[in-house]
Amino acid sequence: DVKVTQSSRYLVKRTGEKVFLECVQDMDHENMFWYRQDPGLGLRLIYFSYDVKMKEKGDIPEGYSVSREKKERFSLILESASTNQTSMYLCASSPTGPGDIQYFGAGTRLSVL
Amino acid sequence: GQNIDQPTEMTATEGAIVQINCTYQTSGFNGLFWYQQHAGEAPTFLSYNVLDGLEEKGRFSSFLSRSKGYSYLLLKELQMKDSASYLCAVRDGNYQLIWGAGTKLIIKP
Repeated sequence: DVKVTQSSRYLVKRTGEKVFLECVQDMDHENMFWYRQDPGLGLRLIYFSYDVKMKEKGDIPEGYSVSREKKERFSLILESASTNQTSMYLCASSPTGPGDIQYFGAGTRLSVL
Repeated sequence: GQNIDQPTEMTATEGAIVQINCTYQTSGFNGLFWYQQHAGEAPTFLSYNVLDGLEEKGRFSSFLSRSKGYSYLLLKELQMKDSASYLCAVRDGNYQLIWGAGTKLIIKP
């Protein structure tokens, strides 16, 4: 069974804090993605990575950065959390490109107070 | 711009049939996906259409009309466990996924 694991299901942080969201996949997939999911909106791509140390901006990269030091791990970093970053964050992986079947983690619900 | 429309919420009865529609306007088209997402869980892949017509997979079927920019997901013999959100996603001309906001399906006994 394929597995994408996000380290936290719920996080509460304060404005201005640096926040790390971690994601690990055990499928040896080349591609990994970070999305945010907000009510009434489709999934929005923040960043994706197609290889170790490689990254591409998605549709809404402002205020975020990412790190991929190992193939199985993709981290999303909020350098200085703001209240408008309160959201559900979903990590996904895919054996091919961003336009193919993706395997998702269960999500991290982040609240920034 | 690119746009995908789905109804926000639908209600159906256990044992019945429900059709969830998805219309899209995108820059190019290279396939359409349906995902299921139970509350608090990961979205999981259900179906993929790239050619016109109906793809059947057990109780679930997905239909595509490229000329109309339209797809639907058909769920038969509804079960309570089918209560979930159903996400439509289109692979555009640049092979990027554009996601709809999802349809929350509520099944009543």
